[in-house]
Amino acid sequence: NAGVTQTPKFRILKIGQSMTLQCTQDMNHNYMYWYRQDPGMGLKLIYYSVGAGITDKGEVPNGYNVSRSTTEDFPLRLELAAPSQTSVYFCASGGEGDTGELFFGEGSRLTVL
Amino acid sequence: AQSVTQLGSHVSVSEGALVLLRCNYSSSVPPYLFWYVQYPNQGLQLLLKYTTGATLVKGINGFEAEFKKSETSFHLTKPSAHMSDAAEYFCAVSESWSSASKIIFGSGTRLSIRP
Repeated sequence: NAGVTQTPKFRILKIGQSMTLQCTQDMNHNYMYWYRQDPGMGLKLIYYSVGAGITDKGEVPNGYNVSRSTTEDFPLRLELAAPSQTSVYFCASGGEGDTGELFFGEGSRLTVL
Repeated sequence: AQSVTQLGSHVSVSEGALVLLRCNYSSSVPPYLFWYVQYPNQGLQLLLKYTTGATLVKGINGFEAEFKKSETSFHLTKPSAHMSDAAEYFCAVSESWSSASKIIFGSGTRLSIRP
């Protein structure tokens, strides 16, 4: 059972470059999320989606974009990368129904130099 | 507005000793409370949760937490630490278990286990 799969696991970008972090889930969850994790700061919500075609901003959306064309996929786009976007990014799905449990991917470590 | 405070960014205990990780929350409505664990180079996974009902909640790997409304706390405990418990632990609060956009995570507590 794959769960939530993120790619790539590691990436180094130069300032001003763009890239897309891929996320796919096979649990048929309607809700999907992108978080970033910085040392000592916990997790901050970037964007979330409650279903295909529907996305909304979280706490820290600036510099990012998302799309949700299918239930399974929720890519995160970084435009004009900046050093402040150096972080570990986690995709998650779930948070609905009786359990409220979120299922996380293994993370994508991004460094912007 | 909701908030979560985890007291102590790093806790170190001896193998076999009691584990106590502290979490205090603030919420304007009855909260839903969660503890997640993150092992090195992995994503977070749910350890336990409180929604309604019994205030003492048991989770995986022998962990449990007690919801204390009067103290606005949801501390995580385990009677006897094991080396495999070394990880980072996150407390989280939500005003609705069906809307993770309102889940707020604490800053995390790294648990180290001494042999």
